[in-house]
Parts: sequence; C-alpha cells; structure tokens
Amino acid sequence: DTGVSQNPRHKITKRGQNVTFRCDPISEHNRLYWYRQTLGQGPEFLTYFQNEAQLEKSRLLSDRFSAERPKGSFSTLEIQRTEQGDSAMYLCASSPPSVRGKYGYTFGSGTRLTVV
Amino acid sequence: KQEVTQIPAALSVPEGENLVLNCSFTDSAIYNLQWFRQDPGKGLTSLLLIQSSQREQTSGRLNASLDKSSGRSTLYIAASQPGDSATYLCAVLTGANSKLTFGKGITLSVRP
Repeated sequence: DTGVSQNPRHKITKRGQNVTFRCDPISEHNRLYWYRQTLGQGPEFLTYFQNEAQLEKSRLLSDRFSAERPKGSFSTLEIQRTEQGDSAMYLCASSPPSVRGKYGYTFGSGTRLTVV
Repeated sequence: KQEVTQIPAALSVPEGENLVLNCSFTDSAIYNLQWFRQDPGKGLTSLLLIQSSQREQTSGRLNASLDKSSGRSTLYIAASQPGDSATYLCAVLTGANSKLTFGKGITLSVRP
C-alpha cells in the first residue's frame, strides 16, 4: 500500500452541478478524515469516520455536503448544487488505531475543485 | 476552541542559512504536534511528529521542538536549500475524535 489515494486530482464544474470525490485510505487505517483548504489558509476539518461510522461533522459542512464510508474502506464526499464558494482543495487523511498521539495523519494529494 | 498561529506568513532567506519557524497554540491539552510541508497545488507531506510527552524530534536537517506548557513549537531547518522552498504547516491533535487543527502556514523561499 503506497499511501492515501484521492481521485480525481482536479475537477472543474459548473455552478449548480453535483460532484463526488473518492478517497482510498491506507488499508490498515480505521480512521478517515476530510479537510478543506482554501488559498492561503490552513486545512479546516470537515468530517471524521471511524470504520464506517461518521462520528463528527463540522459546521462548515452544509446540507449540500454528504460523506460516506461504506464497509469502512474507501470514502466519498459529495457536494450537491455546487457554489463558487465551494472552490477549494479537498484533502483526505487516514490514521491507524493507536494510543492517542503515537501516530500521525497521512494525507492524500487532494482534489482541487474549481466551480465556474 | 484550539487556535494555532504561525508568524510570519512568509519568509525569504539566502541559501545556506539556518532558520527557525515558529508555531503557537492556545490549548495545551494536545496529543501530538505535526509539522507538514506543502508544495504549491499539492497535498501535505508529514515531516515530523512530536508526541505530547516528547520534547523534540529530528530528521536529517530538520529538528522540531515542543514546549507544551507554553503552547509553542519550533521547526529548525539547518543549511537551507532552494529545494526547501514550500509552505510549512503546523498542526496539533486534540479532542475525543483526534482532530488536527492547523495554522495558516509559513511560505518559505530559499534564494540561490
């Protein structure tokens, strides 16, 4: 396993369209996180999965956003009725089950979304 | 609410200089602190992780220190090279769901 994989790398969509991103974590990692990063800012937390359970969602995640992790493997993040303000880099990260703090996150290369 | 601050936002140094990047955080109840590197338009690459019980970690020309009680960390880069040019992000791990909170990053430019 070479790391966290995200697809697509880039997505350009028209305002109002729906988009879906995929994240494949490191296979033995049970924790999966989605973050969003806009230009000049640090990544901001969106949502967290432990296995297939979505345990936390940020207030940043409006009703247009939904995330799933069926069977605790890959995860998808869907944005419905995209808006120009959704343009950002969407980052996925995973981490193993561990004594807290012993291991860090491994991030994917991200999906760059541009809404025109 | 945890807040992470990195100042300055940008730094330009000549090649060969030793430099220190600073990070501060408001809540000392952290599990660990990670330093990441991000190249333009790319994802995050983990550089160093310091557990809350540790004081420092080293990897090659990089050394990171942690003073949890004062809410500070530094990343020391020795003998900087143009290839070190990137944005360096500091993040702390806190909370029941082990979330990372990031600073805005320091964009480093190393001039040949």
